[in-house]
Amino acid sequence: AQSVTQLDSHVSVSEGTPVLLRCNYSSSYSPSLFWYVQHPNKGLQLLLKYTSAATLVKGINGFEAEFKKSETSFHLTKPSAHMSDAAEYFCVVTAYSGGYQKVTFGIGTKLQVIP
Amino acid sequence: EAEVAQSPRYKITEKSQAVAFWCDPISGHATLYWYRQILGQGPELLVQFQDESVVDDSQLPKDRFSAERLKGVDSTLKIQPAELGDSAMYLCASSLRPGTSGQFTGELFFGEGSRLTVL
Repeated sequence: AQSVTQLDSHVSVSEGTPVLLRCNYSSSYSPSLFWYVQHPNKGLQLLLKYTSAATLVKGINGFEAEFKKSETSFHLTKPSAHMSDAAEYFCVVTAYSGGYQKVTFGIGTKLQVIP
Repeated sequence: EAEVAQSPRYKITEKSQAVAFWCDPISGHATLYWYRQILGQGPELLVQFQDESVVDDSQLPKDRFSAERLKGVDSTLKIQPAELGDSAMYLCASSLRPGTSGQFTGELFFGEGSRLTVL
């Protein structure tokens, strides 16, 4: 079994300040972890992924995330928020079990960026 | 860059009518997913195919929804009859076959989605 908990449903930051979106997971398998971003009325775009290589993962648009197995966390960070970062962010866990891939989404965190 | 294609992008229909959505995954992707996303919520898996076989349809309302992927390539999701509560974004995604040597990461590639409004 696996699950994903996004600890904040809404996060509000000022433009130019750091962003932290929190994600904890549990999995009985060897998971891969992803962060996706979704702008209004759009599909989901991959920000970054962890697939058992380096624990610090760099993604697009200045985002990065650190996989911490001991804390079962995969928090998303960015040093300086931009207005264009305002969107919904989803933490996703996938694992291969029983012959096919199982995918679990977090509930999403809506990021608001204040000018 | 290869993309997941979905159509139509927008669909407005009246309740009790039939509606269909089409998805063409990235070439070579064995796994195809249909998600429903109600406004303000996360995606909910409706059905997952591996090649032409359904591997998970536990959340598909089978009295009104059906999905097929006859040749293991493109897929159609149908709703008949549509109800007001079906208003949502329907997202299609695809991924490589699990275990594909040197390439498989588990990443899902999403289409732009089909926005359904039921009046």
